[in-house]
Amino acid sequence: DAGITQSPRHKVTETGTPVTLRCHQTENHRYMYWYRQDPGHGLRLIHYSYGVKDTDKGEVSDGYSVSRSKTEDFLLTLESATSSQTSVYFCAIGGGANNSPLHFGNGTRLTVT
Amino acid sequence: SQQGEEDPQALSIQEGENATMNCSYKTSINNLQWYRQNSGRGLVHLILIRSNEREKHSGRLRVTLDTSKKSSSLLITASRAADTASYFCALNAGNNRKLIWGLGTSLAVNP
Repeated sequence: DAGITQSPRHKVTETGTPVTLRCHQTENHRYMYWYRQDPGHGLRLIHYSYGVKDTDKGEVSDGYSVSRSKTEDFLLTLESATSSQTSVYFCAIGGGANNSPLHFGNGTRLTVT
Repeated sequence: SQQGEEDPQALSIQEGENATMNCSYKTSINNLQWYRQNSGRGLVHLILIRSNEREKHSGRLRVTLDTSKKSSSLLITASRAADTASYFCALNAGNNRKLIWGLGTSLAVNP
């Protein structure tokens, strides 16, 4: 899995609570991404990072924030979880100026009740 | 939509048969990538084909790209039960370094 670890693997939380998902890489890659995967929508980019403290929004960033204080860690925070954020979340590394392929973690299944 | 569109949505074949999946798109691309996703796992990169390439091979996989028709195909030859998975195409388009994903083809290979 190209040295990408996501935690937790599963989480159930209540509406209105904050949630933080973690992605840790050992590949020292500059670019990191957070996607969500939902039936009928495919993979949608939430946020991405192109370096420490450098992040940008994807196509579905509302309700999410990210932080990258170290090269190896990229955190995704749901500020106040809603049922529409029930999804499977994937972290990936790669891409960037070299157009290299992406390597994915095994995902976090989040359920918001 | 710039989204890649895979066809068919689902495919069921017997072991040993070939499986062909197609991806059509509407925008100009730098490259097109194919990924596999096994149930409950992350996506795994299979092949990247650049816009100036027409065909690439990797083991039992063959990818073609026709930029005039804005389409690509993934052929899996002599399929195995372990090939059962969802397959996605992803477009690297224009100056946008972020990939554009299709909805995937679900392949079932029956023993």
